[in-house]
Amino acid sequence: TQLLEQSPQFLSIQEGENLTVYCNSSSVFSSLQWYRQEPGEGPVLLVTVVTGGEVKKLKRLTFQFGDARKDSSLHITAAQPGDTGLYLCAGPSSNTGKLIFGQGTTLQVKP
Amino acid sequence: DAGVIQSPRHEVTEMGQEVTLRCKPISGHNSLFWYRQTMMRGLELLIYFNNNVPIDDSGMPEDRFSAKMPNASFSTLKIQPSEPRDSAVYFCASSRYRPDTQYFGPGTRLTVL
Repeated sequence: TQLLEQSPQFLSIQEGENLTVYCNSSSVFSSLQWYRQEPGEGPVLLVTVVTGGEVKKLKRLTFQFGDARKDSSLHITAAQPGDTGLYLCAGPSSNTGKLIFGQGTTLQVKP
Repeated sequence: DAGVIQSPRHEVTEMGQEVTLRCKPISGHNSLFWYRQTMMRGLELLIYFNNNVPIDDSGMPEDRFSAKMPNASFSTLKIQPSEPRDSAVYFCASSRYRPDTQYFGPGTRLTVL
């Protein structure tokens, strides 16, 4: 069974700080996605990484896919209160194609 | 374009009652997914449809749960009878051809007393 483990589970930081969230697996994924979910809303897709070693940037967010396509990271520079939310990584199962989700990282950015 | 639409947004019911959750996927999308989210178990896939046909319902917890997709623009998830442990947020998502790019609705928060 393919699993995605995220760390840390919870993160509380001050505005302006940098942070990194990790998504790890022992299995190879053809792609990984990152979602952000705000309270009372559904997850919103931020990015999809496909190629091993790929780096994608979305304003202050930097996403990296591991060379072996078993892990990914999300780095936020100069975090702002608007970044607060639940960050989920997900990847398609190699057997079924269904999307497997990590348990999520809850980020709180204090002003 | 409108996103995925779910109704109701909130549902409070008593144990034993029937609950029906509704979803309208994004127009043109050919896959629809039902998820359940709880603090303990995170986001779990219950069932997904491709071209209105149920493909995998292995995540449906019990026979009390059933889902239908009578046409490309509408799906329902029904719980009968409901139990307190069914309390969760239920999400519907849709995708076009690529199951790894899903668009989620705002969810239905279900509370079973």
